[in-house]
Amino acid sequence: DTGVSQDPRHKITKRGQNVTFRCDPISEHNRLYWYRQTLGQGPEFLTYFQNEAQLEKSRLLSDRFSAERPKGSFSTLEIQRTEQGDSAMYLCASSLFLANDIQETQYFGPGTRLLVL
Amino acid sequence: AQKITQTQPGMFVQEKEAVTLDCTYDTSDQSYGLFWYKQPSSGEMIFLIYQGSYDEQNATEGRYSLNFQKARKSANLVISASQLGDSAMYFCAMRERFRDDKIIFGKGTRLHILP
Repeated sequence: DTGVSQDPRHKITKRGQNVTFRCDPISEHNRLYWYRQTLGQGPEFLTYFQNEAQLEKSRLLSDRFSAERPKGSFSTLEIQRTEQGDSAMYLCASSLFLANDIQETQYFGPGTRLLVL
Repeated sequence: AQKITQTQPGMFVQEKEAVTLDCTYDTSDQSYGLFWYKQPSSGEMIFLIYQGSYDEQNATEGRYSLNFQKARKSANLVISASQLGDSAMYFCAMRERFRDDKIIFGKGTRLHILP
């Protein structure tokens, strides 16, 4: 399977615990995006990387959230001191960015469903 | 103001009929891209079709076509000959080229195909 993969698919944790999610993009893709999706809503942008550089972070991304893409391949999203409001689906997407190519289709992984008790 | 508006929270359609899912968007950019994604109950977002603002022809991909009306800022998805497997959430999304690189999604339409 050469699509985007995410691990774990499901995570249940207690409030106050830290969690870390992993995303493996399509291998030739240089951009990697993180989104959060709550029930009844479309995905909301959190942050993205071009290669290993984090280029933008949403205001949704509080100080408890941190993302890395150390070698420009896989990425991790960590949530510290989880809160019940963090319960959501966390989606990762990757794309091949070429300058002046507005299409830049993003391909999504299956997501990680987080439940904070 | 919402950038992407999908006015149909849910739709029920008989199998084999065509269905149109509405999407209107708001942008002052001249260069932008419009996307449709399908999200089955498994959660994965599946890319369906893309329309660029400068594309003169409506995009088509198999049973999917995009009815692009630039002056009205609408980009409706048409699914021909619907199948039971088309039951899912459908999201319209936009990228504004000179603002940023993220995609903005609408709230989605849940489509139910009836046997």
